[in-house]
Amino acid sequence: SQQGEEDPQALSIQEGENATMNCSYKTSINNLQWYRQNSGRGLVHLILIRSNEREKHSGRLRVTLDTSKKSSSLLITASRAADTASYFCATDDNEGYSTLTFGKGTMLLVSP
Amino acid sequence: ETGVTQTPRHLVMGMTNKKSLKCEQHLGHNAMYWYKQSAKKPLELMFVYSLEERVENNSVPSRFSPECPNSSHLFLHLHTLQPEDSALYLCASSQAYQGRGEKLFFGSGTQLSVL
Repeated sequence: SQQGEEDPQALSIQEGENATMNCSYKTSINNLQWYRQNSGRGLVHLILIRSNEREKHSGRLRVTLDTSKKSSSLLITASRAADTASYFCATDDNEGYSTLTFGKGTMLLVSP
Repeated sequence: ETGVTQTPRHLVMGMTNKKSLKCEQHLGHNAMYWYKQSAKKPLELMFVYSLEERVENNSVPSRFSPECPNSSHLFLHLHTLQPEDSALYLCASSQAYQGRGEKLFFGSGTQLSVL
């Protein structure tokens, strides 16, 4: 299994601004997922994008996937203080069946 | 609520203690997982159970002993832990193991401190 690697490690913005987080991975994947974690809590699934998809939307979230560059980005538009959390990408690699592996995450702080 | 409940939320134990973490899922899922989350490290997959059978064991020390009595319940038995085992232990479930595109549902975790 491989790990996704998020960038940046930490991001601090003002309410109303957009937040962009990136994820890079090493080998081919079946799908890539984004999760959110509030401090000291469990992870919550946000969105899944399959390897044959390039872009996906869910509310204020937009996820892109570029399999040629082995990278994905998560865009949160019009951010709110409640979006303050850590965001993780998780990859499901293409070598047979496998469980998800997670990166270290991006910590997002949205100030009012 | 994600449908996955973990107890206790916090646990402090000495190195000679024996304790257990409990996880229960109300989603009718067939796979359950234990993850360890330490500061500044990626989530580490510890164990996976599918239909009550252990299917993955990622080189976890024997002081961690999982148990899955049925598809809704998962335990992690702890004994003679080390201070470096202090971490957030997360339980998760999914509809199936090894399915493409399975998403995980996580509990809130047990914050473990080993003194």
